Amino acid sequence: KNEVEQSPQNLTAQEGEFITINCSYSVGISALHWLQQHPGGGIVSLFMLSSGKKKHGRLIATINIQEKHSSLHITASHPRDSAVYICAVLAYGNKLVFGAGTILRVKS
Amino acid sequence: NAGVMQNPRHLVRRRGQEARLRCSPMKGHSHVYWYRQLPEEGLKFMVYLQKENIIDESGMPKERFSAEFPKEGPSILRIQQVVRGDSAAYFCASAPVGAQETQYFGPGTRLLVL
Repeated sequence: KNEVEQSPQNLTAQEGEFITINCSYSVGISALHWLQQHPGGGIVSLFMLSSGKKKHGRLIATINIQEKHSSLHITASHPRDSAVYICAVLAYGNKLVFGAGTILRVKS
Repeated sequence: NAGVMQNPRHLVRRRGQEARLRCSPMKGHSHVYWYRQLPEEGLKFMVYLQKENIIDESGMPKERFSAEFPKEGPSILRIQQVVRGDSAAYFCASAPVGAQETQYFGPGTRLLVL
């Protein structure tokens, strides 16, 4: 079993829909990152969380430390949100352990 | 303040050649991490360095791979005698002292071994 599990693996949505991507982890962590990667592109850090909730524009990230679970929400989705979203936890000191990613496609 | 810089962005090597990947951290950052993304796979940790020290290299293949972060200049990930299986995207990230959890990623180097 992977230490970081994401669901769904693939997600197709219509423009304007509310999107949720989930991340569960099984190790002790000091922080959790949500990352965005466009095809052939670099990695952008969207959020770093150690507790509670953060919001940036149309993106919201939450974390429940007790349940070892985090969610990334996108409100009013847009085709430019199409990308791979990756959950990564900071564990074993300063190492990031990554989920497999969620491939999001938003259709207009 | 420029972000994390990596060069080259794309690198093509023939089997048996050496590949040198460079990472310049953000100004003031003294922690550097290297990650590898194999085709159709997720990102994996390779090595964590501070200036002139390797802190954790548990993710580095035991042979042919080495990394350094000298007092002056960029961090270098060196792959000797490359094989086709080394073809991947290599990302580095940097973090400031006292905030190692805040990692900023570079654009990556795409290595293709022919």
